[in-house]
Amino acid sequence: EIVLTQSPGTLSLSPGERATLSCRASQIVSSSYLAWYQQKPGQAPRLLIHGASTRATGIPERFSGSGSGRDFSLTIGGLEPEDSAVYYCQLYGGPPGTFGPGTKVEIK
Amino acid sequence: EVQLVESGGGLVQPGRSLRLSCEASGFRFDDYAMHWVRQVPGKGLEWVSGISWNSGTKGYADSVMGRFTISRDNAKNSLYLEMNDLRVEDTAVYYCTKDMAFGGYYDSSLCLDYWGRGTLVTVTS
Repeated sequence: EIVLTQSPGTLSLSPGERATLSCRASQIVSSSYLAWYQQKPGQAPRLLIHGASTRATGIPERFSGSGSGRDFSLTIGGLEPEDSAVYYCQLYGGPPGTFGPGTKVEIK
Repeated sequence: EVQLVESGGGLVQPGRSLRLSCEASGFRFDDYAMHWVRQVPGKGLEWVSGISWNSGTKGYADSVMGRFTISRDNAKNSLYLEMNDLRVEDTAVYYCTKDMAFGGYYDSSLCLDYWGRGTLVTVTS
């Protein structure tokens, strides 16, 4: 089973700064099946990115995804206070739809 | 507007049963696979079970295989999760989720574009 590792565990940045979150798979995966979710405290996760780089409906342009092979990243260009959340990557395309452990983004 | 509303969570003793429900609206329910995903409070996300649009195929995580049963009623736009022989480690928030892929087979996508608010299941003696 493929394992997803996310780094860093926590990212603390100021508003307006750029955040880069990493997701690494234990083996090469298809970029067509890599997603990113945002979960704010007390809320359900929200789909941000699918297919490694396609923004989901209604997601602001400051969120972008990239990567291929084993290494993927989510970039938040110009952090806003409401971006404080935990971000999960997920490998989909069928069960078990493995999620990474998450990266917590804190806004100073 | 897509809405998924779960119900049925609560406090239950180990070995007992519980049935979760999810009422869907805002989309054509029978065009999509549906899934249950759980999250231990403060921890990560785990796919629990999925069901295809016509109930023809279903899948389960190894951790719940043989104890949980997923079902759906397309006439009622509803998804269910029957949970038997509950264990302490089943304690989690259970989310009802919609698969993004049109066409509805649970094992072809598992990209989840809409989530309910979740219902908390606490298994404790």
